[in-house]
Amino acid sequence: KAGVTQTPRYLIKTRGQQVTLSCSPISGHRSVSWYQQTPGQGLQFLFEYFSETQRNKGNFPGRFSGRQFSNSRSEMNVSTLELGDSALYLCASSPQNRAPTDTQYFGPGTRLTVL
Amino acid sequence: TQLLEQSPQFLSIQEGENLTVYCNSSSVFSSLQWYRQEPGEGPVLLVTVVTGGEVKKLKRLTFQFGDARKDSSLHITAAQPGDTGLYLCAGANTGGFKTIFGAGTRLFVKA
Repeated sequence: KAGVTQTPRYLIKTRGQQVTLSCSPISGHRSVSWYQQTPGQGLQFLFEYFSETQRNKGNFPGRFSGRQFSNSRSEMNVSTLELGDSALYLCASSPQNRAPTDTQYFGPGTRLTVL
Repeated sequence: TQLLEQSPQFLSIQEGENLTVYCNSSSVFSSLQWYRQEPGEGPVLLVTVVTGGEVKKLKRLTFQFGDARKDSSLHITAAQPGDTGLYLCAGANTGGFKTIFGAGTRLFVKA
């Protein structure tokens, strides 16, 4: 079974631009969560999607948005990029309802650098 | 706001030594998970603990969940260079779909 895949793996953008990151969950998984990882703040929850609906959202500005498609693939978008958005963006998938004991399977991440 | 504090932030030890990493919070969690992350990869789940006082062992790793479900520890016996990595604890609660992560403990085991 293929793991969680994220594309692209590396991305360089300039301030003010926008970016779209893609995540393909493990086949059969319906829940997808996104996290931002930085050296200073660690791993911070962005949002979680289940069956094309956003179920929970972290404390990030509206410039960060996401969506999920009927095949469970998910995208996140960051508009008007700022230098502080430079980070590793991780996607994680879970089988169904994301119960607290569910295992999240993480992808390798997309390394975004904003210049 | 729920927070998880991990200590120490950084640990450099010799092969064969023992070590303990702590994860503390003022909040109660339904479950607590430990992950290990290596450079260039996403975190990989090591264990999930759900019952207060629970102890789980995974080869040389021993995980404990506090009685009040507010804290946890990870103990590694006879550390090996292959244990090198970033160890993350994460708490979750019933009815929520948001996982709170600690800042992590970066472990380096020298041969």
